[in-house]
Amino acid sequence: DAKTTQPTSMDCAEGRAANLPCNHSTISGNEYVYWYRQIHSQGPQYIIHGLKNNETNEMASLIITEDRKSSTLILPHATLRDTAVYYCIVRLAPSNFGNEKLTFGTGTRLTIIP
Amino acid sequence: DADVTQTPRNRITKTGKRIMLECSQTKGHDRMYWYRQDPGLGLQLIYYSFDVKDINKGEISDGYSVSRQAQAKFSLSLESAIPNQTALYFCATSNEGQGLNEQFFGPGTRLTVL
Repeated sequence: DAKTTQPTSMDCAEGRAANLPCNHSTISGNEYVYWYRQIHSQGPQYIIHGLKNNETNEMASLIITEDRKSSTLILPHATLRDTAVYYCIVRLAPSNFGNEKLTFGTGTRLTIIP
Repeated sequence: DADVTQTPRNRITKTGKRIMLECSQTKGHDRMYWYRQDPGLGLQLIYYSFDVKDINKGEISDGYSVSRQAQAKFSLSLESAIPNQTALYFCATSNEGQGLNEQFFGPGTRLTVL
């Protein structure tokens, strides 16, 4: 799986959009970008994933550059409960043959400021 | 009730003791995983299982063993605990082989080996 690079920490004002960048310059054509977050030592929580098109769900939006070498997770209206460590993970799509591994780096510690 | 439960939630033990961590799930998922998290770091995969008859080593399986007693239960054992196994342990489940894309994590077990 390709490695990812994320900033160690970021702050964002409550109510503003939080934009979390991730570099994955060695991503291969069949690898997806996944985002998970971990709130204060709880179990990680899935947020969103994508291949090359931008994706949006009830939690966040994922913007992937055209060359797929980087992406940005956007939390549109950050709340205090969004304070967490956010992990950007590149992996093959799950299948019946494996690809089960989630490789968690150190992530970005996002702090929402009141 | 939580979908993925772990027992115990906290455990303090001594070097050389045998320890078993239990994980149960009510999601009906085939795949189960054990991860370890050290302070300030991401999660590392210890073992995973795609069904009751399937057990696979992850990145850091040395010093650990697992048992998949039933679809809903996956236990992790430390045969002879050592201090550097002090960590936060997470169990996770998924149905990723059937096209879903996320892993669901339990609340974690904090293990301290003195």
